[in-house]
Amino acid sequence: AQSVTQLGSHVSVSEGALVLLRCNYSSSVPPYLFWYVQYPNQGLQLLLKYTSAATLVKGINGFEAEFKKSETSFHLTKPSAHMSDAAEYFCAVSGGWDGANSKLTFGKGITLSVRP
Amino acid sequence: EAQVTQNPRYLITVTGKKLTVTCSQNMNHEYMSWYRQDPGLGLRQIYYSMNVEVTDKGDVPEGYKVSRKEKRNFPLILESPSPNQTSLYFCASSPPTGWSTDTQYFGPGTRLTVL
Repeated sequence: AQSVTQLGSHVSVSEGALVLLRCNYSSSVPPYLFWYVQYPNQGLQLLLKYTSAATLVKGINGFEAEFKKSETSFHLTKPSAHMSDAAEYFCAVSGGWDGANSKLTFGKGITLSVRP
Repeated sequence: EAQVTQNPRYLITVTGKKLTVTCSQNMNHEYMSWYRQDPGLGLRQIYYSMNVEVTDKGDVPEGYKVSRKEKRNFPLILESPSPNQTSLYFCASSPPTGWSTDTQYFGPGTRLTVL
């Protein structure tokens, strides 16, 4: 079984500041980890994913995340926030293949606000 | 354009009135899934389908039905909706390999209110 913990429900940063969104996972098998972004009134869009190839993963819009097995973490970062980054961010885990289901287990989501 | 479409996008209905939310994808994906999103709970899987005529329950299947008669379509059926099914619903699909690393592509969502 897998689970994802996203601490806090809301993060606020100033434009130009570092964005750090935390994600910790629990998985009984080597995990595959994803970050999705949801802009207002839209569906989820993949930001990046970790599939065991490289621990530092670069995604779209300048985001990146580092897989740290020892810390069971997959935190999302961006060096400089833009106003357009304001959205809800979901971390998700897909661990192992049960023969049928590619189910994603999502965290509760974090709302990112960017102040001018 | 590769996409997952859902209809309707918004729906207000009353308790007990059967409804269907349609989902269609044009990417020839074999795997499709329905999730519901509730505040503070993230997204939870309702049902999924590996291929035509192959469906199975996710984590929160109670009160829902699905069918997969064609590869591109995966409708979600609420036979007797109740207020606790008020939620934001997302359909998703992923490529045919079916491995856990596959990216899932999400539709725009359907906001359902059951009075």
